[in-house]
Amino acid sequence: SAVISQKPSRDICQRGTSLTIQCQVDSQVTMMFWYRQQPGQSLTLIATANQGSEATYESGFVIDKFPISRPNLTFSTLTVSNMSPEDSSIYLCSARRRTNSPDTQYFGPGTRLTVL
Amino acid sequence: AQRVTQPEKLLSVFKGAPVELKCNYSYSGSPELFWYVQYSRQRLQLLLRHISRESIKGFTADLNKGETSFHLKKPFAQEEDSAMYYCALSLQGAQKLVFGQGTRLTINP
Repeated sequence: SAVISQKPSRDICQRGTSLTIQCQVDSQVTMMFWYRQQPGQSLTLIATANQGSEATYESGFVIDKFPISRPNLTFSTLTVSNMSPEDSSIYLCSARRRTNSPDTQYFGPGTRLTVL
Repeated sequence: AQRVTQPEKLLSVFKGAPVELKCNYSYSGSPELFWYVQYSRQRLQLLLRHISRESIKGFTADLNKGETSFHLKKPFAQEEDSAMYYCALSLQGAQKLVFGQGTRLTINP
């Protein structure tokens, strides 16, 4: 298994500011992902964090709003930029170790963001 | 487009009764399906996946390609089964997950 931690666990931010969320995995993983879970909604994939290259964003998400870094095989950050109340969500980091065979995707505890 | 549908947002059954959480998917490729569970104040965790064909905590799920379904079943519900359950589809070659809306299961004593 892989143990994933996220910081901060929660934050309350002002409109127009930015927040960077950190994700740390206890072992090297090949794939890391960032999801958003809006209140009362399911999980929606924001992007796949690629080590050493730009993240791959899903439809509806752009790099200027959600810049992502992945400097190595165990760490990634997601920044929520120029926040508005609509960005209030739980942001989850996930990881899986292998790409070429079925493998479990593990999830972090999430970061609960409230934008005032 | 790929889609996972869980028609029931809420499901309530009595302890000891059978439970079935429905999941239907839409995907033209070869699907890989999962059930994830989130207990109160805990992180999302894998419950089971169709390729393992295993029973976890008494739960089973069979992939029915004809009906494009992957329903989760347990013959005798227990109070500790109360949780949020998500059905998820992994896209072939893409490694990412598409989640259903989730079903909140409540087991009444």
